[in-house]
Amino acid sequence: AQKITQTQPGMFVQEKEAVTLDCTYDTSDQSYGLFWYKQPSSGEMIFLIYQGSYDEQNATEGRYSLNFQKARKSANLVISASQLGDSAMYFCAMRGRRRYSSASKIIFGSGTRLSIRP
Amino acid sequence: DGGITQSPKYLFRKEGQNVTLSCEQNLNHDAMYWYRQDPGQGLRLIYYSQIVNDFQKGDIAEGYSVSREKKESFPLTVTSAQKNPTAFYLCASSIGTGGSYEQYFGPGTRLTVT
Repeated sequence: AQKITQTQPGMFVQEKEAVTLDCTYDTSDQSYGLFWYKQPSSGEMIFLIYQGSYDEQNATEGRYSLNFQKARKSANLVISASQLGDSAMYFCAMRGRRRYSSASKIIFGSGTRLSIRP
Repeated sequence: DGGITQSPKYLFRKEGQNVTLSCEQNLNHDAMYWYRQDPGQGLRLIYYSQIVNDFQKGDIAEGYSVSREKKESFPLTVTSAQKNPTAFYLCASSIGTGGSYEQYFGPGTRLTVT
């Protein structure tokens, strides 16, 4: 069965520091994709970054990067130079694809609440 | 602008009543999804649809029903059979259901049943 684990329910970080949000996953699928989403207090879900299981390089999007370690089944999100506006819930998610199946769905972890201190 | 709309943002109902949450997208996406989020928790998949007139149950479909008569619309009905319907409901869409297709989310509907 697929599973996403986020072990940090909450984190406090000083503004301008870098922060790493942990995510580990479990899957037996042939190929899969890993996503990170941000959820501000307004409730909307904002897509941040994607990493495919066969991508050789770690994904980067501006201040966001994904530290992908396939053998350890981890996909940690790194936010460089944190800002006050980064305070939000962050969710790690995975989509898998079984061989011969065209259908796949995204499953989400329980989230990490990040708070940035001024 | 393209996007996903959910209305209303807040919805209040009496216990025992069915209620339908709307979700409309103008992104021309084939796949649409409904999630439920309880306080302090992640998202759980209720139903998803890959194409018009087709949908599959997610992990917590009991007490919910959906329809997909049009590509743009994927309404969710919370029936009286749903034992604990008070929650935040998020609708999402994606180009397809495979690969790197990220999901785009609507603003959500907060349902309170008393």
